[in-house]
Amino acid sequence: QVQLLQSGAEVKQPGSSVKVSCKASGGTFSSYTITWVRQAPGQGLEWMGSILPIVDIRNYAQNFQGRVTITADKSTSTAYMELSSLRSEDTAVYYCARERVYDSSLSDWGQGTLVTVSS
Amino acid sequence: DIQMTQSPSSLSASIGDRVTITCRASQTISRSLNWYQQKPGKAPKLLIYAASSLQSGVPSRFSGTGSGTDFTLTISSLQPEDLATYYCQQSNSNPQTFGPGTKVEIK
Repeated sequence: QVQLLQSGAEVKQPGSSVKVSCKASGGTFSSYTITWVRQAPGQGLEWMGSILPIVDIRNYAQNFQGRVTITADKSTSTAYMELSSLRSEDTAVYYCARERVYDSSLSDWGQGTLVTVSS
Repeated sequence: DIQMTQSPSSLSASIGDRVTITCRASQTISRSLNWYQQKPGKAPKLLIYAASSLQSGVPSRFSGTGSGTDFTLTISSLQPEDLATYYCQQSNSNPQTFGPGTKVEIK
């Protein structure tokens, strides 16, 4: 079992950036993929992108290309998701999740981080 | 991108009822289909992976079937704690897309 602990809620101005962290404990951090999923208020789940730290392979959803950057610090077992040029539509809960190697399901989830974009 | 649809979008059922939710992919995804349960204010929880495998710790009243493009999640006997929204997700290719969700309410 892997535990994922995310950073706290953020309030940001439109046009700014936000960086959310996801610290993993249990398992071998470098060897599994960390995925980021967001959920706008009252809406469904949206896959944003992922990173496999051991080879630093990253995948991003086309919807976020150029605005999202996912990184990982293997020394602290922490993944990060940075979203830039924020707009009100980016107000959402952002989740990190571990993607299981053998079936690519998202078996462990962080608690979520609420990002509010408001002037 | 692979599009996922679910039906119904919501349902209301009584305790003990059998509940079935369907999920369809816009192209074949073999058995790369997962189901999640999300309770209000909580993170999603994995229920079923690879179309029909029950995640450890999940009650046996949950089951999944299907392959290719058509999948189902069944709750054999609805319990009060099953009040939640259920999402399917394809993990066949990136971006890994989710269905829009099915909200299950208790009558």
